[in-house]
Amino acid sequence: GAGVSQSPRYKVAKRGQDVALRCDPISGHVSLFWYQQALGQGPEFLTYFQNEAQLDKSGLPSDRFFAERPEGSVSTLKIQRTQQEDSAVYLCASSTTDRGRRRGDTQYFGPGTRLTVL
Amino acid sequence: KNEVEQSPQNLTAQEGEFITINCSYSVGISALHWLQQHPGGGIVSLFMLSSGKKKHGRLIATINIQEKHSSLHITASHPRDSAVYICAVLMDSNYQLIWGAGTKLIIKP
Repeated sequence: GAGVSQSPRYKVAKRGQDVALRCDPISGHVSLFWYQQALGQGPEFLTYFQNEAQLDKSGLPSDRFFAERPEGSVSTLKIQRTQQEDSAVYLCASSTTDRGRRRGDTQYFGPGTRLTVL
Repeated sequence: KNEVEQSPQNLTAQEGEFITINCSYSVGISALHWLQQHPGGGIVSLFMLSSGKKKHGRLIATINIQEKHSSLHITASHPRDSAVYICAVLMDSNYQLIWGAGTKLIIKP
């Protein structure tokens, strides 16, 4: 497909379970972003990759959250020992922006993964 | 104080009305995005602005860099325009998007 895809679309986990959320960005897009959107709130930045390099992980809420993009394309957001407060929609976005360009570039968003922790 | 503020938070209007959603920000930016999110749906980028005005169909977005303010207008509104509209700014110092809380728009037939 031409857009950003995410899987699964919905995930229900028991508290304490580990989960892995996948993002397939648009082919050739250098930058990849993960956001967390709690119910009724705007998205919050989690982490940013430029190719395979994780340049910013300042938004990750705890060390239970881990993201990787080993080959510079597909990215996985892993949450260990899930807690109820992790319940949210996790959004992935990609853009063509590379480090040399300071001007903003459109971010293309995936449909999100709705995580519910019971 | 939030770095990006939107108003109103909620807006209900009749079909055909002219809609304005406002966004003010307090940081230096390189660009501003207007995005649309339907219930249960993904986020769609409507506009990216760094100056002036852009138009796409019935949607118009303007930005005043000096006043740090942007507006999104919808002409001849339609029930299918009902969604949450989000303003997000790309900070001048880095690549992070700072998001507004969104404006929930309901257009009644």
